[in-house]
Amino acid sequence: AQSVTQPDIHITVSEGASLELRCNYSYGATPYLFWYVQSPGQGLQLLLKYFSGDTLVQGIKGFEAEFKRSQSSFNLRKPSVHWSDAAEYFCAVGRFNDYKLSFGAGTTVTVRA
Amino acid sequence: GAVVSQHPSWVICKSGTSVKIECRSLDFQATTMFWYRQFPKQSLMLMATSNEGSKATYEQGVEKDKFLINHASLTLSTLTVTSAHPEDSSFYICSARPTSGEQYFGPGTRLTVT
Repeated sequence: AQSVTQPDIHITVSEGASLELRCNYSYGATPYLFWYVQSPGQGLQLLLKYFSGDTLVQGIKGFEAEFKRSQSSFNLRKPSVHWSDAAEYFCAVGRFNDYKLSFGAGTTVTVRA
Repeated sequence: GAVVSQHPSWVICKSGTSVKIECRSLDFQATTMFWYRQFPKQSLMLMATSNEGSKATYEQGVEKDKFLINHASLTLSTLTVTSAHPEDSSFYICSARPTSGEQYFGPGTRLTVT
């Protein structure tokens, strides 16, 4: 069975500073990896995904993530955060055969002025 | 493209009644739809997977008689919470997946049972 760990429950970052959210996964085969963002009371928006190929993935809103197989990690980064980036971020791993997703517990990002 | 809608976005019902939530893929045909439940400040937990024209597959611990899922067409799946109780209050999110590709998520439905 696949699983995802997001070690950081809450991160506070200053506007304009860089942001990195950690994600570690466990899956026996090649994983499909995703990062989603959720604003309060809203559904999920896909930031980026990794299926194969280049291990550095570019997403929307200036986010990028790097897949490191040796570390079973898929960390999300943004060089300079904006106040609008304050939200809940979920990492997810999908199964190859049916795309069933398992989500991490989420990381809440607070942006201070 | 790849828009998924849910209706209603927010519903309040009395304990003991049933409530139906619809999930629609607006611009693609969804071979598979997924239903998730999310408690406040927590992650999404997969409840069930439904394929068009067949019975839903429920995750361990999810009561199939309480959470009835129907996937009658390639663009519509419904979740009916039967005999709802306050502990069923939650945020329910659906997602839809075409034949190939990733899941697309709906905006969610907030259910409050009084």
